[in-house]
Amino acid sequence: GQNIDQPTEMTATEGAIVQINCTYQTSGFNGLFWYQQHAGEAPTFLSYNVLDGLEEKGRFSSFLSRSKGYSYLLLKELQMKDSASYLCALGGGADGLTFGKGTHLIIQP
Amino acid sequence: DAGITQSPRYKITETGRQVTLMCHQTWSHSYMFWYRQDLGHGLRLIYYSAAADITDKGEVPDGYVVSRSKTENFPLTLESATRSQTSVYFCASSDPEGTAFFGQGTRLTVV
Repeated sequence: GQNIDQPTEMTATEGAIVQINCTYQTSGFNGLFWYQQHAGEAPTFLSYNVLDGLEEKGRFSSFLSRSKGYSYLLLKELQMKDSASYLCALGGGADGLTFGKGTHLIIQP
Repeated sequence: DAGITQSPRYKITETGRQVTLMCHQTWSHSYMFWYRQDLGHGLRLIYYSAAADITDKGEVPDGYVVSRSKTENFPLTLESATRSQTSVYFCASSDPEGTAFFGQGTRLTVV
C-alpha cells in the first residue's frame, strides 16, 4: 500500500499561515496532488507536484520531496472560508489517485 | 456547460434492490473513476476506466458493476444493495496531467 499519512485535525488563526504535512511510503507515482473539500461538497483541485520543490499558486503553495516521502501544503493569509478538509493524494495515471484520510482545518477569528 | 455531472444527487433504496448511479462528462477525458467516501476511510477507488470499453477494479469493487460504452458516460451499478454500501459516491475524470475533477457526488442511503 501507499500508506498516506496526514494529521487528522489542525486549528489556525485568521490571517496566519498554516502548513499541512503529508507523508507516504511509495516511490512509484506520477504526481502528488492536494485537494480542498468543504463539508457536503466535492473535492476541488488545489495544486500538484511532479518534481521535487515548491509550486506556488496565489495563497497556496505545495512542496514535494520524493527522497524523503514528504509533502506539505502551505496556506497563507488564512481566511474563514479556508475552513475545510485538505486531502493529499498520490497517482495521476490511468488507475487514478490514492487519497489520505484528509486534514480537517479549523480557522478561528 | 462543460464539466462532470452526477445523478441522482440523493437516493434512498432498500436492501437487495439494484441501483444505478449516473456520471456524465463533457471534457472528453479518457480516464474516469468512481470513488466512495466514508467517515474514517477517506476516498476509496471502486472502479476506473482508461477508455470506452476498458474498465478495471479499484480498491473496493465488490458488489459494484460498471460499464463504459461511450467516452462521456460511466454508470455505476449496485447489483443488490447492502447497508454497508450507504455512502457518498463521487465520479471523477482526469486530464492528461492526471488532475482529477469530481462530480457533485451522490449521497446513497440503503435501508
